Amino acid sequence: KQEVTQIPAALSVPEGENLVLNCSFTDSAIYNLQWFRQDPGKGLTSLLLIQSSQREQTSGRLNASLDKSSGRSTLYIAASQPGDSATYLCAVNAAAGTALIFGKGTTLSVSS
Amino acid sequence: EAGVTQSPTHLIKTRGQQATLRCSPISGHTSVYWYQQALGLGLQFLLWYDEGEERNRGNFPPRFSGRQFPNYSSELNVNALELEDSALYLCASSFWTGGFQPQHFGDGTRLSIL
Repeated sequence: KQEVTQIPAALSVPEGENLVLNCSFTDSAIYNLQWFRQDPGKGLTSLLLIQSSQREQTSGRLNASLDKSSGRSTLYIAASQPGDSATYLCAVNAAAGTALIFGKGTTLSVSS
Repeated sequence: EAGVTQSPTHLIKTRGQQATLRCSPISGHTSVYWYQQALGLGLQFLLWYDEGEERNRGNFPPRFSGRQFPNYSSELNVNALELEDSALYLCASSFWTGGFQPQHFGDGTRLSIL
């Protein structure tokens, strides 16, 4: 059974810091991995999707890497801003079209 | 392009009642997924519909059911509501391309059981 773990559960940093959020999964046979952002009481916003054949994806200040063999992904946020404060969720697909299996998220707080 | 829309935004029910939650996918998307986000439990998969058929369901009792209509919109029905059903219910949609298939989420329906 696939399990997804995110460390740390919470993180507080001052504005301007570069930071790394970690995600690990127990079964390396994944189809893709997605990183989402969730603001309090809101739905999920897709940030980055990495297919199983890819090593990384970049969007603006965000960079996500994937190491399938070790069951790990990292989300790198450069030059953090207060507006980045949110919960970041990692999720994996076992196969195309199937349900996502989520970690419990990392809640990020960036202070100005 | 309109995103995934869910209604109602909030729903308050009492134990034993029935609740119906609705989801309209992004135009062109044929798959709809339902997830439950209960406090402290994280996001858990409930149901997946594609082309009007139930394709998969998560580890939830049969009182959680749903359907997908010909226009690809979907309903989630929860019967015999229990206190632990209080949660944010999220709907996501996607489409089959033979490959790359991100899921796009709505803002959810918050169901509160009194």
